[in-house]
Amino acid sequence: KAGVTQTPRYLIKTRGQQVTLSCSPISGHRSVSWYQQTPGQGLQFLFEYFSETQRNKGNFPGRFSGRQFSNSRSEMNVSTLELGDSALYLCASTPGSGPAYNEQFFGPGTRLTVL
Amino acid sequence: GENVEQHPSTLSVQEGDSAVIKCTYSDSASNYFPWYKQELGKRPQLIIDIRSNVGEKKDQRIAVTLNKTAKHFSLHITETQPEDSAVYFCAASDSSGYALNFGKGTSLLVTP
Repeated sequence: KAGVTQTPRYLIKTRGQQVTLSCSPISGHRSVSWYQQTPGQGLQFLFEYFSETQRNKGNFPGRFSGRQFSNSRSEMNVSTLELGDSALYLCASTPGSGPAYNEQFFGPGTRLTVL
Repeated sequence: GENVEQHPSTLSVQEGDSAVIKCTYSDSASNYFPWYKQELGKRPQLIIDIRSNVGEKKDQRIAVTLNKTAKHFSLHITETQPEDSAVYFCAASDSSGYALNFGKGTSLLVTP
């Protein structure tokens, strides 16, 4: 099976702009999670989707949003970008019930730089 | 989310030595504890996991122990090799069952 893919891989934006990142999970996986990774902060949970429903959301401002489509592909959107949003954004797909029960498979990430 | 504390943040060992990374969690509802390894420039990959009904699990040179009463779990790597050099993340499932809370990572360096 093909692995988790993310597009674009690199993105440069300026403050105030908005951005949309895309994630295609492994075929058959219905759970998709998003994480923000910054040096020294590890992986911070953004949100998790399962069958087009957001089941959980991390402690991020409302500028961070996401959605999942019927084919399980997911997008996340960040509006009004701030310098502190510069990070690697990882998505992960999980088989079965979700990340508390099964292995998560990570994508390569999207490196977002905000200038 | 709930806190997962991970120590140490950096660890340097000589090839052949053992390495131990410790994590504590605060959510008593956590019942799934995976460990991920992230090599430089690569995506995180699961190396071992443990569930709350098990106290210890071993896979070749890697083992994980869990103490639910004390709310801590540890990763043990024996006979370390240079290819073990990476950042290791512990995680704990949260009470919703739909998220993992990760520690901040341990950068392990194994020197020949």
